[in-house]
Amino acid sequence: NAGVTQTPKFRILKIGQSMTLQCTQDMNHNYMYWYRQDPGMGLKLIYYSVGAGITDKGEVPNGYNVSRSTTEDFPLRLELAAPSQTSVYFCASSYGDKAFFGQGTRLTVV
Amino acid sequence: AQRVTQPEKLLSVFKGAPVELKCNYSYSGSPELFWYVQYSRQRLQLLLRHISRESIKGFTADLNKGETSFHLKKPFAQEEDSAMYYCALFGGNQFYFGTGTSLTVIP
Repeated sequence: NAGVTQTPKFRILKIGQSMTLQCTQDMNHNYMYWYRQDPGMGLKLIYYSVGAGITDKGEVPNGYNVSRSTTEDFPLRLELAAPSQTSVYFCASSYGDKAFFGQGTRLTVV
Repeated sequence: AQRVTQPEKLLSVFKGAPVELKCNYSYSGSPELFWYVQYSRQRLQLLLRHISRESIKGFTADLNKGETSFHLKKPFAQEEDSAMYYCALFGGNQFYFGTGTSLTVIP
């Protein structure tokens, strides 16, 4: 049972580059989330989705885009990477009151 | 508006001492409260939920609706309890997380 899988685990980007953080879950959950965790800080919600084709902004959506074409996948897109986006990114899915997290993607923008 | 507040970013206690991690919430309905834990370089995982009224790894948490609190407690801290702890509220089909408390247990 894979649960929530994120790729890549680590990435270094140069300022202005773009990339997509992948997230997939095999539990058929409707709700999926993207959070960022800055050093010494808590989780901040970037975007979330309540089902395929439906996404909405969280607390810190600027500089990011998401899509949800399938129930399984919820990729997070950075179009023009900035140093302020250096963080650890967590994807999560939930069903009812049960949330499951991916292992995180550590992103450094230099 | 829904909100989860963890007033302490950092908390240090000595091994064997009691520990309490504070969590207050704001929610108009009847919330479900959780504690999640993140050990070093691992993913977040559920520690306990208020509905279960269980003790996990010696931790307990009581939902106090009058004070809108859900503090996490353990009578005798262990070194392996050092981790990041997040209080979370589930309501309106969404999760809301606090900013987390980093607990360090000093040997």
